[in-house]
Amino acid sequence: GAGVSQSPSNKVTEKGKDVELRCDPISGHTALYWYRQSLGQGLEFLIYFQGNSAPDKSGLPSDRFSAERTGGSVSTLTIQRTQQEDSAVYLCASSLLPLAGSDTQYFGPGTRLTVL
Amino acid sequence: AQSVTQLDSQVPVFEEAPVELRCNYSSSVSVYLFWYVQYPNQGLQLLLKYLSGSTLVKGINGFEAEFNKSQTSFHLRKPSVHISDTAEYFCAVTSFGNEKLTFGTGTRLTIIP
Repeated sequence: GAGVSQSPSNKVTEKGKDVELRCDPISGHTALYWYRQSLGQGLEFLIYFQGNSAPDKSGLPSDRFSAERTGGSVSTLTIQRTQQEDSAVYLCASSLLPLAGSDTQYFGPGTRLTVL
Repeated sequence: AQSVTQLDSQVPVFEEAPVELRCNYSSSVSVYLFWYVQYPNQGLQLLLKYLSGSTLVKGINGFEAEFNKSQTSFHLRKPSVHISDTAEYFCAVTSFGNEKLTFGTGTRLTIIP
């Protein structure tokens, strides 16, 4: 596809379960970002991948959150032992070049996570 | 540290009237500024961005924004709104060497027929 895709679009889980959210960036984009959009918190940066460099994990809220990017393309965000406060829309974005080059980030439609 | 303030959480406007959505930022370094729009049940879409040069930036769908360094503002304007402009609008800031976008809390624009 032409844009960033994310799956699933919706995920409902029980407190304490693990979840995996997937992001397929635009082909050829070297940078990939995860953000979280929640009520009361707005849009928060979570993690950033650039090529083969070590990811910037400074936005991850706890050690229950982790992410990987395989082969410089697809990324998976994993949340272990989910809590109700993890309920949010998780957005993925990609850009052709690092934002240091002031390139535009293109966003996917998001995954709405609900933790019961 | 960088921050963005969008003072108006909701803005109702009559159709075909002009609108201004306010954005103020805080940063100790030179900034790049962005406006994104999020239509209902859709992802974020870039409206426009300011990197350098002319302080008046034109974007898609008839929107424009003006960078004002002295007032640390980047307000978004449209001279005549349409029903289809109903959406949430986010202002964001970053700077050279900083890959993270810092977003404001958003402004919900509602167009009244």
